Amino acid sequence: AQSVTQLDSQVPVFEEAPVELRCNYSSSVSVYLFWYVQYPNQGLQLLLKYLSGSTLVKGINGFEAEFNKSQTSFHLRKPSVHISDTAEYFCAVSDQGGYQKVTFGTGTKLQVIP
Amino acid sequence: GAVVSQHPSWVICKSGTSVKIECRSLDFQATTMFWYRQFPKQSLMLMATSNEGSKATYEQGVEKDKFLINHASLTLSTLTVTSAHPEDSSFYICSASWEGGLAFFGQGTRLTVV
Repeated sequence: AQSVTQLDSQVPVFEEAPVELRCNYSSSVSVYLFWYVQYPNQGLQLLLKYLSGSTLVKGINGFEAEFNKSQTSFHLRKPSVHISDTAEYFCAVSDQGGYQKVTFGTGTKLQVIP
Repeated sequence: GAVVSQHPSWVICKSGTSVKIECRSLDFQATTMFWYRQFPKQSLMLMATSNEGSKATYEQGVEKDKFLINHASLTLSTLTVTSAHPEDSSFYICSASWEGGLAFFGQGTRLTVV
């Protein structure tokens, strides 16, 4: 079984400032890692995923994340946020054997301040 | 990426009635579909896993007689909330995947029971 911890429930940040959303996971097996974004009253959109290879993963909308196996982390970063980035962000994990079944973190609400 | 469509996007029903939510994979054959529930300000919790042509596997604590899942074809799964009550009001999201593939999420259905 896996678990995902997103310590920050809310992150306020000024427009054009950098942001980091933290994610730590726990698993006894090798995992795949994901970040999803959810805009108000909408479904989930995949931002990026780590399956294998380079630990630095680039996604859509200028986001990137780095997989750190020793620290069991997969933090999401963006160098300069926009108002349109205001949304809920979910970190998620699945084990490589059953990668269709996804376990989500509790989410981080990113509030971009103009 | 692959497209998963849910219908309806939102529904309001009276307490005691049943509501059916559809999840369709539009451009691929989904051997497995997952149903999640998201309460306000909370993360997504897996309710059940369904494989085409077989009975769904429910997570602990999810009433199988209340949340009926049918996966009759490779492109359609339905979730029926029977005898809905206000506490069933939630955001329901499905995901679909093919054999060996990642899961893609629908846009979600907001259910309000009055």
